[in-house]
Amino acid sequence: AQTVTQSQPEMSVQEAETVTLSCTYDTSENNYYLFWYKQPPSRQMILVIRQEAYKQQNATENRFSVNFQKAAKSFSLKISDSQLGDTAMYFCAFDSFGNEKLTFGTGTRLTIIP
Amino acid sequence: GAGVSQSPSNKVTEKGKDVELRCDPISGHTALYWYRQSLGQGLEFLIYFQGNSAPDKSGLPSDRFSAERTGGSVSTLTIQRTQQEDSAVYLCASSLGTTGQPQHFGDGTRLSIL
Repeated sequence: AQTVTQSQPEMSVQEAETVTLSCTYDTSENNYYLFWYKQPPSRQMILVIRQEAYKQQNATENRFSVNFQKAAKSFSLKISDSQLGDTAMYFCAFDSFGNEKLTFGTGTRLTIIP
Repeated sequence: GAGVSQSPSNKVTEKGKDVELRCDPISGHTALYWYRQSLGQGLEFLIYFQGNSAPDKSGLPSDRFSAERTGGSVSTLTIQRTQQEDSAVYLCASSLGTTGQPQHFGDGTRLSIL
């Protein structure tokens, strides 16, 4: 069974600074997908970024980028030039062939300080 | 609408009552998922539909929980004889149905059992 671990329950950073959220996972699969989702107080889960394990290149989406280390089973999220609207819970999630469901970490509560 | 729609947004009921939660997925999405999020926790998988069939019911916590999907579209999650530990946010997601496709989430139903 796959497991996803987020070791930082809470983080805070000043507006405009850069912050990195950690995620590690455990799997015996070789082909899989990793996601970061954001959940603001409005409760809706919003996809931030997606990484395919067979791609060595790290995914980027505007201010959001990942550091994917397949051998280390690590998938961290970097938020550059953080904004107040980035305040939210961030969840790392894992998906693999034949699994057909997302396995989530317990989340990191990120607060951006004005 | 363009997104996943869930109703009701909030539900308060007495212990022992039955409740029905509804999910209307994005048009054309063949896969539909139910998750549960307890206070301050990550998301716990409940059940997955591909079309109208449910290949994976492994996350349903007890036989008090059931779900159905009709017409490859709307799904209903039913909880019978509710208990206080059923209090949580129930999130529905849909996707194009192949591994690695992002899941799109609704706003959830917050269920409170008195």
